Formats: sequence, C-alpha cells, structure tokens
Amino acid sequence: QVQLQESGPGLVKPSGTLSLSCAVSGYSIGSGYYWGWIRQPPGKGLEWIGSVYHSGNTYYNPSLRSRVTMSVDTSKNQFSLKLTSVTAADTAVYYCARLSITMDIWGQGTVVTVSS
Amino acid sequence: AIQLTQSPSSLSASVGDRVTITCRASPGIGSALAWYQQRPGRAPQLLIYDASTLESGVPSRFSGSGSGTDFTLTISSLQPEDYATYYCQQFNSYPLFTFGPGTKLDFK
Repeated sequence: QVQLQESGPGLVKPSGTLSLSCAVSGYSIGSGYYWGWIRQPPGKGLEWIGSVYHSGNTYYNPSLRSRVTMSVDTSKNQFSLKLTSVTAADTAVYYCARLSITMDIWGQGTVVTVSS
Repeated sequence: AIQLTQSPSSLSASVGDRVTITCRASPGIGSALAWYQQRPGRAPQLLIYDASTLESGVPSRFSGSGSGTDFTLTISSLQPEDYATYYCQQFNSYPLFTFGPGTKLDFK
C-alpha cells in the first residue's frame, strides 16, 4: 500500500523560505510516476504547485514558477518543495501526491502558516 | 492555459436526491478530466478519471460524463457521507494540472 507523508516547519516568517518533504512508502520513487505538490489556503480551493519526476524533470505552476523548486532524493525515497519569499498569501495546507494521469494517492496534508 | 469553471458553486440537497455538478473547460480537453471529493479536514479523494471511469472502491452512485468542454458529475442518490466539496481537474496537459474552483454540497 502506497503512502505519502508530508513533513516540515509549520511556521515560516515572511520573506523566508518554506521547505517541505514528502516521504513515500510502499513504492520506490525511482520506479516511475511524477510526484507533486498541491496547496489549499484556508477556506479556498486547490492549487497545483508543481510536478517532479525521479530523473529531476520538473514542471511548475506559472503563477509560482519564479519562487518554486522541487527535487527528488531517491536514496531517501522522498521528494521536496522549496518556496521562497513567502508572504501571508502562502499560508495553506500543503499536500503531496502521486501523479499517475491524475492524483490518485495523497498525503494527509500539513499546515504551513506564514507569520512573524 | 486551460481554464476550468464549475457550477453551481454551492448546492443544497437532501438524502436520496439526484445531484448534478457541471464543469466547463476552455479550451477543450477531450476526456482528460477527473473529479475529486474533499470532506472537511481531509485530503481530496479521486472519484472519477477519464471523464467517466470510476476509481476503484468508489460507490456506483457516482458517475461522470462529457467530453471536450462540458462535463458532469452525477450522484444518483445522495448519501449522508456525500456532503463535501467536489473539484474537477484537467490532466490534458499532464504533468501540468488545473483544478476547478469547487462545488460545495451541503444539507438542505
């Protein structure tokens, strides 16, 4: 059974960098699939942030591209998200997901608040 | 960029009702559409992909239809556990994605 688990600081200061990791169990990231990040601000809808392949290929939401970096660590079987220059608008629940043609497996989500 | 709209944005219905939610894509996306259910405080769950294929384990009261620009999600007989927010998502530009704004389904 494939499971994903997000981890990282729950509080980030404005202008700082948000860093999250997603640990994958039950499947080897190096075997295939894209892996992605999605966020949901309080009371709002879902926003796709980006997708990363085990080879390191990445695709980012154009609205966030200048601030986002995603990477994969196959030795740890996890992938990561970095979002720079954060503001209060980046406060959200951040989900990681496996990307078959759709997002078929999700992590439980982690709350990140941007505040001083 | 592919844009998705959903209607209605919110909907009130009773247990046993038949419910239909619409998603419109611009430009057209063939059948590259998925539907997700999100209960409060939970991660979204995939219901339907390829516009009409039911994900394994999803009750048969859920169905999807459409192609090109117009799509529908139908719940044939609403159950208490179906009160949630529903999102459509396009994967025509996989691995780039777009979500619709969501439809909140609540108790009438």
